Amino acid sequence: DAKTTQPTSMDCAEGRAANLPCNHSTISGNEYVYWYRQIHSQGPQYIIHGLKNNETNEMASLIITEDRKSSTLILPHATLRDTAVYYCIVRPNGGATNKLIFGTGTLLAVQP
Amino acid sequence: EPEVTQTPSHQVTQMGQEVILRCVPISNHLYFYWYRQILGQKVEFLVSFYNNEISEKSEIFDDQFSVERPDGSNFTLKIRSTKLEDSAMYFCASALSGQPQHFGDGTRLSIL
Repeated sequence: DAKTTQPTSMDCAEGRAANLPCNHSTISGNEYVYWYRQIHSQGPQYIIHGLKNNETNEMASLIITEDRKSSTLILPHATLRDTAVYYCIVRPNGGATNKLIFGTGTLLAVQP
Repeated sequence: EPEVTQTPSHQVTQMGQEVILRCVPISNHLYFYWYRQILGQKVEFLVSFYNNEISEKSEIFDDQFSVERPDGSNFTLKIRSTKLEDSAMYFCASALSGQPQHFGDGTRLSIL
């Protein structure tokens, strides 16, 4: 499985966009980019995923570079409740049987 | 929105005792998983389960661990003879084919 690199921590002002980067330079052609987050003491929460096109849902946008070696998760208007550890995970095939391999993620602290 | 539910939220057990952690996956999901997170560490994959059998397991999932889907709605993780190092948060997840995994809020297992 491809490995990912994320900054250890980031700050963001409440109401501003939070842009969380992820490098996955060894990603394979059949591997999807998934983003999860973990709010303190809760289970990981699915945010968004994509293969090569940019994706948007009610929670966030995912921008994947053309060479697919990096991506950015965008929370358009961060709130205090978005404070969490954000995980960028690369997984083959998008198949449900495949395990998720969590790294240490990025601790996003949204400041009032 | 349907969710994965786990019980109990906190389980305290004496070392050497058996413990069963319970999960009710989302009702139409077919793929089931257990992960664990030792305090301050990464979320680690334990086992995946599909079509009434284990599809993949990690090195952590040794002979002391077993999983079962006893009645078509519950998905359980049993630890036969608990050790101090089994103390962790245990997360259950479920998914449809080709879809993201959705997690419960976990059971905190404390071994005394």
